[in-house]
Amino acid sequence: NAGVTQTPKFQVLKTGQSMTLQCAQDMNHNSMYWYRQDPGMGLRLIYYSASEGTTDKGEVPNGYNVSRLNKREFSLRLESAAPSQTSVYFCASVRANTGELFFGEGSRLTVL
Amino acid sequence: LAKTTQPISMDSYEGQEVNITCSHNNIATNDYITWYQQFPSQGPRFIIQGYKTKVTNEVASLFIPADRKSSTLSLPRVSLSDTAVYYCLVGGYTGFQKLVFGTGTRLLVSP
Repeated sequence: NAGVTQTPKFQVLKTGQSMTLQCAQDMNHNSMYWYRQDPGMGLRLIYYSASEGTTDKGEVPNGYNVSRLNKREFSLRLESAAPSQTSVYFCASVRANTGELFFGEGSRLTVL
Repeated sequence: LAKTTQPISMDSYEGQEVNITCSHNNIATNDYITWYQQFPSQGPRFIIQGYKTKVTNEVASLFIPADRKSSTLSLPRVSLSDTAVYYCLVGGYTGFQKLVFGTGTRLLVSP
């Protein structure tokens, strides 16, 4: 039981490049979340998906797109990366009967 | 959407009890209060959750007054390894909603 798996763990991009962060969970959870965490700061919600086929904006959605491919997978795409998007990105899923969030190990993204 | 407020930082010494309070004045009737711990370079992990009164597990206690507008995480006899950031999160059981973290409390435990 791997929990929440994120790939890649590290990535360096140049300004204007695009990339997709992948997230998969094997706990059969309905809801999934993407957060970003800047150095020394708290977690900010980018997008979330309450269930397969639905996505909603969080606190800081600008510059990102998401896809809930199926119940297991929730990807985050940066279409044109900017230095302000340098951050650690965390994916999480929620156990429905307790509301407990389970987090992945994070994806550290640097945009030059 | 319940907004939470916590102290930015706290300092303690090994062996002391630490109490971290979170304010959530607009908590909804079906919201639960959950506390998470985060170490550097790791994702947050669940510590404890409650709805009202007191909850205790092997690592912490959670005190929630009757009006539920605040909650207090109590860490008994902290050690150096308890140095971390602690977040309280208010949200429903179902997960079908935005789950927004507050600023968190940075706890530093010294020898």
